Amino acid sequence: KAGVTQTPRYLIKTRGQQVTLSCSPISGHRSVSWYQQTPGQGLQFLFEYFSETQRNKGNFPGRFSGRQFSNSRSEMNVSTLELGDSALYLCASSFGWNTEAFFGQGTRLTVV
Amino acid sequence: ILNVEQSPQSLHVQEGDSTNFTCSFPSSNFYALHWYRWETAKSPEALFVMTLNGDEKKKGRISATLNTKEGYSYLYIKGSQPEDSATYLCASLMDSNYQLIWGAGTKLIIKP
Repeated sequence: KAGVTQTPRYLIKTRGQQVTLSCSPISGHRSVSWYQQTPGQGLQFLFEYFSETQRNKGNFPGRFSGRQFSNSRSEMNVSTLELGDSALYLCASSFGWNTEAFFGQGTRLTVV
Repeated sequence: ILNVEQSPQSLHVQEGDSTNFTCSFPSSNFYALHWYRWETAKSPEALFVMTLNGDEKKKGRISATLNTKEGYSYLYIKGSQPEDSATYLCASLMDSNYQLIWGAGTKLIIKP
């Protein structure tokens, strides 16, 4: 079966712009989590959605938001981009919060 | 503050040698401990999800143990091979929220 698909794979934006990243989970998975990874840092949790509801949010500013649709696809939006938002953004899907997560290949965002 | 600590941060091991590294996590409200392998240019891939104190899981040459009372897990690799070179991540799941708390990883480099 198809894995987790993230689009786009690469993105270059300028400061102040906004960006939307997309994640299509594995069919049947209802939980989607988003992570930020920067050089030298571990995976930083952004938020988790389950059945269109955000169940948990990490310690990121309000510029970072997300949503999940009825087909479990999820989007993440970052507004007013800053240079420090340059990172690899990963999404992961799972059946539920207590099962193994399957990761997409990530979107590498560069803010210039 | 909930922290998951992994040690060492990086490890160089001769091909054929066995090795192990540690994941420490909060023992209170523990629900599950996840191990993932993250190879360069790929997505993190689940190795084990462990829930029971004293649990031991094995996949080929890789095995893991879990001590939930003292809050640690060991990952063992027997007879290291070049393809084992990767960053190994652990993540702790508590029963009170819906997010995995990730360690920063152990970067393993196998020297031929």
